[in-house]
Amino acid sequence: DQQVKQNSPSLSVQEGRISILNCDYTNSMFDYFLWYKKYPAEGPTFLISISSIKDKNEDGRFTVFLNKSAKHLSLHIVPSQPGDSAVYFCAAIEGDNDMRFGAGTRLTVKP
Amino acid sequence: EAQVTQNPRYLITVTGKKLTVTCSQNMNHEYMSWYRQDPGLGLRQIYYSMNVEVTDKGDVPEGYKVSRKEKRNFPLILESPSPNQTSLYFCASSLMGGRGDNEQFFGPGTRLTVL
Repeated sequence: DQQVKQNSPSLSVQEGRISILNCDYTNSMFDYFLWYKKYPAEGPTFLISISSIKDKNEDGRFTVFLNKSAKHLSLHIVPSQPGDSAVYFCAAIEGDNDMRFGAGTRLTVKP
Repeated sequence: EAQVTQNPRYLITVTGKKLTVTCSQNMNHEYMSWYRQDPGLGLRQIYYSMNVEVTDKGDVPEGYKVSRKEKRNFPLILESPSPNQTSLYFCASSLMGGRGDNEQFFGPGTRLTVL
């Protein structure tokens, strides 16, 4: 039973345009959300996070939006760069350590 | 350099032959965990440890064992590997859980094939 879902396995965008990666969750007890980025042959690295008391968090080109009523969050990358090409995992936490990951979305940014 | 290391990075073995994947972190983190990554399923937690001698099951613990005798090391043990344990394994650590500033740091991964 996947509590965190990333329904798009892949996304392709042109360099300079916006990338929007989506994530849905089913557990209303999740209260903290994170995005991780993974390059081939490397472990995931933390990108950005958001607490359920907020609806937006920004860090440079990366912005995460949280819509609690829809149980949906999204990651916006503006402008997209070829170096952003990677697999992006959405993750959610209930309590201190019960982290659930989505299946990942492979982003390709074309020059 | 702050890091999580795993060994081996690649391993091909046969069904039933016991193996251990080591994990070590040099950041004095209390929390460590193991995940497996499978296509279409993302990362699923196998076991985690809140501190030395404290371990607990994650979502998919069957067929695995762990131990936490020292803070820096958290080995993953497959007593009798089976082909359905063929996967990409990641070890991770954080100060405490994965919230706020305590986001998890991941190792480079171990690709295991069980024939």
